[in-house]
Amino acid sequence: SQTIHQWPATLVQPVGSPLSLECTVEGTSNPNLYWYRQAAGRGLQLLFYSVGIGQISSEVPQNLSASRPQDRQFILSSKKLLLSDSGFYLCAWSKQGFYNEQFFGPGTRLTVL
Amino acid sequence: GEDVEQSLFLSVREGDSSVINCTYTDSSSTYLYWYKQEPGAGLQLLTYIFSNMDMKQDQRLTVLLNKKDKHLSLRIADTQTGDSAIYFCAERTTGNQFYFGTGTSLTVIP
Repeated sequence: SQTIHQWPATLVQPVGSPLSLECTVEGTSNPNLYWYRQAAGRGLQLLFYSVGIGQISSEVPQNLSASRPQDRQFILSSKKLLLSDSGFYLCAWSKQGFYNEQFFGPGTRLTVL
Repeated sequence: GEDVEQSLFLSVREGDSSVINCTYTDSSSTYLYWYKQEPGAGLQLLTYIFSNMDMKQDQRLTVLLNKKDKHLSLRIADTQTGDSAIYFCAERTTGNQFYFGTGTSLTVIP
């Protein structure tokens, strides 16, 4: 069966510090991968998605970047965090193909102080 | 991106039916989904409907799709306190992109 992992579960970082959140998927190959942010009291915002190694599409201009160094690894990064980067970050994966339900990881709660 | 809209809050009494509504803008959507998010957790898929269907029923859940009006709804029969959560609708468009609504926070009153 497939599983998706995210870490850390919670993170408190000062403004201006770097960020690295990691997401890995097991039990499948060549998945589509997604990063979402859920700000407090708001809905989900798609930040990045990837259809393959090294292929990253960005949905919104922002202070964050994403990388996919391996087939089942998706990393969300920032060089300098802003207060507005606080939120709940969710990684998701889906199969390639016509019907591709998304499966979500447990999320990382990031607080920038 | 596409617009997917939901009302933010809904309160119902335990045992009543809940209806959560969603509207979307992209007429080329292929699948539409309902996800449930419990506090502090990720999203779990509840059900989905293919865009050429009008209705899908799955136990206590009924999904209605009006493709002409681009309106999707989720009905939860006999709502229980464990149904309290945030419910997101989402549409899948061509190019493997998903667009989520803002979420509806359902509160079930005992």
